[in-house]
Amino acid sequence: AQSVTQLGSHVSVSEGALVLLRCNYSSSVPPYLFWYVQYPNQGLQLLLKYTSAATLVKGINGFEAEFKKSETSFHLTKPSAHMSDAAEYFCAVNFGNEKLTFGTGTRLTIIP
Amino acid sequence: EPEVTQTPSHQVTQMGQEVILRCVPISNHLYFYWYRQILGQKVEFLVSFYNNEISEKSEIFDDQFSVERPDGSNFTLKIRSTKLEDSAMYFCASSSRDRDYEQYFGPGTRLTVT
Repeated sequence: AQSVTQLGSHVSVSEGALVLLRCNYSSSVPPYLFWYVQYPNQGLQLLLKYTSAATLVKGINGFEAEFKKSETSFHLTKPSAHMSDAAEYFCAVNFGNEKLTFGTGTRLTIIP
Repeated sequence: EPEVTQTPSHQVTQMGQEVILRCVPISNHLYFYWYRQILGQKVEFLVSFYNNEISEKSEIFDDQFSVERPDGSNFTLKIRSTKLEDSAMYFCASSSRDRDYEQYFGPGTRLTVT
C-alpha cells in the first residue's frame, strides 16, 4: 500500500540547533516527494521537492532534504533553526496519480 | 509571481445550507484540485479536475459535493447540504503538470458549519 509517515507530531529545537523532521513513504512506484510549510492561519507553501534528479534537494529558507531510496525516506533538515521556522511541516507524496498524499504533519517549535 | 486565490477567506453557514467555495487557479494551469484540512488533522485530497471533468475523487467526495469550472477562470467547490463535520479549511490547488507534479496551493477558505 502507498503511504506517507511523519514520525513525531511535535518537535522542539533550540534556536541555532539542527532541525530534523522525518518522513518515510511506502510505494511500489518511484514517487515525487514534497515538503510544504504551513504558518499559523496561512496556506501551504512549497519548501522543496524531489523529482528524480539530485537526491539532495535544497529549498527555500535554508532547508534541504535527502532522498534515500534504500531507506524510503525524505527527511527535512536545516543546520541552524531560526525563530521564524516555527510552523507546521507536511511531507507529501505523489505516487504517479492525480493527488498528493500528505503525512500527518510535524509542528516545529523553536526554543529561544 | 502568479498565485492561486480563494474566496471567501472565511465562511460561516448553518447546517443544511449550500455553500460555494471559489478559487482562481494560475492562468496557464490545466489541472485543478480541492483538498481539505479538518482542524488539527492532516490535509486530505478531495477531488481532481481536468479537461472539464473529474479525473479522480476520494471517498470523502460524496454526492453532497460537486465541482465546476464555470467560466474558464474560476474553479468552484459546492457543498449542497452542509454538515457539522464539513467544518474545515478547504484548499484549492492547480498544476501545469510540466513541473514534476508540483501543485500550487491557495490560502484556503475556512468553512465553519454551525
